[in-house]
Amino acid sequence: LAKTTQPISMDSYEGQEVNITCSHNNIATNDYITWYQQFPSQGPRFIIQGYKTKVTNEVASLFIPADRKSSTLSLPRVSLSDTAVYYCLVGEQFVNRDDKIIFGKGTRLHILP
Amino acid sequence: GAGVSQSPSNKVTEKGKDVELRCDPISGHTALYWYRQRLGQGLEFLIYFQGNSAPDKSGLPSDRFSAERTGESVSTLTIQRTQQEDSAVYLCASSLGTTAGANEQYFGPGTRLTVT
Repeated sequence: LAKTTQPISMDSYEGQEVNITCSHNNIATNDYITWYQQFPSQGPRFIIQGYKTKVTNEVASLFIPADRKSSTLSLPRVSLSDTAVYYCLVGEQFVNRDDKIIFGKGTRLHILP
Repeated sequence: GAGVSQSPSNKVTEKGKDVELRCDPISGHTALYWYRQRLGQGLEFLIYFQGNSAPDKSGLPSDRFSAERTGESVSTLTIQRTQQEDSAVYLCASSLGTTAGANEQYFGPGTRLTVT
């Protein structure tokens, strides 16, 4: 599973757009990029998944450059309720049984009023 | 529809005792995962079941840990002779499958295990 690097924490203000970048220099051809959100005392929740260019859903956008060595999760107009830990995962999970789902420590996003 | 459920929600046990944690996945989900999350840490993969294939147990930290799954339904994670370092939240997730587009994991609320 490709190793990912994310900022440990970020602060932003309500109403702002927040961009969290994840580096994955060793991403493989078959790997997809997936982001999860975790609130305190809850299990993670799927946000978005993409392979290349841009993916958008009702919650977020995911920007993936041509070399796919990084990706950026974009949260438009955040609110206090977006305060959570955000995890970036790379890999086609469990196709290769040597791969493991490694969530890492994620990025702690703190939204300020 | 119903999501992933786990029981108990909290478990306090004495060091050396055995515990069983239960996970009920979403109906129709062939893949089931167990993770451990220590306070302030990320998720640590433990074990994975996919359909009728042999489970991937490579993440289990020691032979005190074991898990079973009945068909494509309920799974039980058992920890024998619990140690204080086993204290954590144990999360279960399920997904339709494992390939992109079908591998979105739905997590349960977790079981908080405290070993005293």
